[in-house]
Amino acid sequence: EADIYQTPRYLVIGTGKKITLECSQTMGHDKMYWYQQDPGMELHLIHYSYGVNSTEKGDLSSESTVSRIRTEHFPLTLESARPSHTSQYLCASSEGAMNTEAFFGQGTRLTVV
Amino acid sequence: AQTVTQSQPEMSVQEAETVTLSCTYDTSENNYYLFWYKQPPSRQMILVIRQEAYKQQNATENRFSVNFQKAAKSFSLKISDSQLGDTAMYFCAFMRGRGSQGNLIFGKGTKLSVKP
Repeated sequence: EADIYQTPRYLVIGTGKKITLECSQTMGHDKMYWYQQDPGMELHLIHYSYGVNSTEKGDLSSESTVSRIRTEHFPLTLESARPSHTSQYLCASSEGAMNTEAFFGQGTRLTVV
Repeated sequence: AQTVTQSQPEMSVQEAETVTLSCTYDTSENNYYLFWYKQPPSRQMILVIRQEAYKQQNATENRFSVNFQKAAKSFSLKISDSQLGDTAMYFCAFMRGRGSQGNLIFGKGTKLSVKP
């Protein structure tokens, strides 16, 4: 089992609420990623970070924001949730080298009603 | 722009048989890294196998092997002696960028069902 944790696993929330999805890793990895995945579908990179105070937007435009104040923590925030945000969100981390394995959390399945 | 294409949305195989999952990619880089990841139902994504583009030898991990054709930009995964536990979504992935600035992009995935 990889040492990367996402909370909550499942979240059902009303439209307009602010939410934060947590992701933490204890492996000291510099790189962290957020992917959005609809059930049985491809992963879309929405945010990534190369280290503390580094955040970049991915290929899929997202209304979410991220922060990287500590190496081990990479939370994702939605200021005002909408039904279109309903999806699974996967967090991953890896060492800095290009050929290293990415470790994934178990995901947060978000439903906005 | 780098892209990863998996043309088989779903595949099935009988237990103990061999199956090959296809992946093609597009890049202008000469050195890069390719991966196959497995996502079992309701479980975490895990790495199956990786290939470095500058290595001509195809990577092998037990029952899993790849057929890497750099000129054709093809990276297929062969699963030998398929087992029920191999049932999962399989994603081909490409590490783009350079050095510590790389990030990982995925294909659309292939849903593999192993039948008893």
